[in-house]
Amino acid sequence: AQKITQTQPGMFVQEKEAVTLDCTYDTSDQSYGLFWYKQPSSGEMIFLIYQGSYDEQNATEGRYSLNFQKARKSANLVISASQLGDSAMYFCAMREGVSDGLTFGKGTHLIIQP
Amino acid sequence: DAGVTQSPTHLIKTRGQQVTLRCSPKSGHDTVSWYQQALGQGPQFIFQYYEEEERQRGNFPDRFSGHQFPNYSSELNVNALLLGDSALYLCASSLGPQGARPSYGYTFGSGTRLTVV
Repeated sequence: AQKITQTQPGMFVQEKEAVTLDCTYDTSDQSYGLFWYKQPSSGEMIFLIYQGSYDEQNATEGRYSLNFQKARKSANLVISASQLGDSAMYFCAMREGVSDGLTFGKGTHLIIQP
Repeated sequence: DAGVTQSPTHLIKTRGQQVTLRCSPKSGHDTVSWYQQALGQGPQFIFQYYEEEERQRGNFPDRFSGHQFPNYSSELNVNALLLGDSALYLCASSLGPQGARPSYGYTFGSGTRLTVV
């Protein structure tokens, strides 16, 4: 079974609109962390936001927020007021328990249109 | 403040050859992880080095090996290259194996694009 599922291979969004990128995860660990990364065409993975499994509040970082629904095992990324520079691949990732490595989803290709 | 530096940026090798990729972590970081990202896929964890030892390994064969030096830089070696090893290889650094503060995530480099022909 997939550990991280991103069901939107690609999305087109108008500039200045809000966008939600979906991510569901599968783990039996009680302690885990969820990450979102942005990967522009340059290849570098840019850290956006983190949510710990015990965090009661949804994480926010500037225009990014994470809609964390623990019972549904969902960790959707919300980008408010999208900009042309937001066009990139977006990856959801999880670190489980004492694991040091991240498990990534297949990503969503987001294209912001003017 | 220099981020994660990887070299070379691109590399073409022949099947059966061996390759070494290099990574310098972000200043202040002491832990290096390596990931393989095939075209159209998310990165896959290869292994992590901390205190010059391999701490944890993903589902990769022994052809993939690594090393960490006293200055925290790291090398990834791949022996007996296969066509399927063609990918973007990403290095990520952190302070401690899981990051001093998880909210910082890991800092990634821009990767080495390896093509095996």
